[in-house]
Amino acid sequence: DQQVKQNSPSLSVQEGRISILNCDYTNSMFDYFLWYKKYPAEGPTFLISISSIKDKNEDGRFTVFLNKSAKHLSLHIVPSQPGDSAVYFCAATGNTGNQFYFGTGTSLTVIP
Amino acid sequence: DTEVTQTPKHLVMGMTNKKSLKCEQHMGHRAMYWYKQKAKKPPELMFVYSYEKLSINESVPSRFSPECPNSSLLNLHLHALQPEDSALYLCASSPGQGRTYEQYFGPGTRLTVT
Repeated sequence: DQQVKQNSPSLSVQEGRISILNCDYTNSMFDYFLWYKKYPAEGPTFLISISSIKDKNEDGRFTVFLNKSAKHLSLHIVPSQPGDSAVYFCAATGNTGNQFYFGTGTSLTVIP
Repeated sequence: DTEVTQTPKHLVMGMTNKKSLKCEQHMGHRAMYWYKQKAKKPPELMFVYSYEKLSINESVPSRFSPECPNSSLLNLHLHALQPEDSALYLCASSPGQGRTYEQYFGPGTRLTVT
């Protein structure tokens, strides 16, 4: 049972434009949502998180939006850079942080 | 130091071998995790140690045996593995006390079972 889903396995964007990565979840009890970036042969790198009591969190070029009624979150990257090309995983967890549920990942390619 | 280190980077072992994977962090984190990741799949949680005690075992076969000798170290002992256990094994750690949701991952150990 996939509690966190990323329905787009891949996305291509021109350099300088906005990248929007989407994620849906099924469990309304999740307290925190996170985005991770993963390069081949490396572990995931934490990018940005958002608490379930917020609807937006911004960190530099990265903004995460949370729509609790739709059980949907998205990651916006503006402007996109070639170095952003990687696989992006969204994840969700309860308030203990012990149980993490990862989405299946979206491979982002930023075209120079 | 915001790094989680894992050794070895690559490991090839036969089905009768015994080997260990090691993970270390010096960020003072009190929770540590083992994940298994197959190609093109998300990481799957295997074990969670919280304050050096095993708090979650996700029904992992006994041929995988975790150990947490102290708050900075996490081992995964492997014995009698199967070829389908070949995967990337990721270690992660997170702060306790309200920031447990931030997990920092190591680079992983690429395991091949022959």
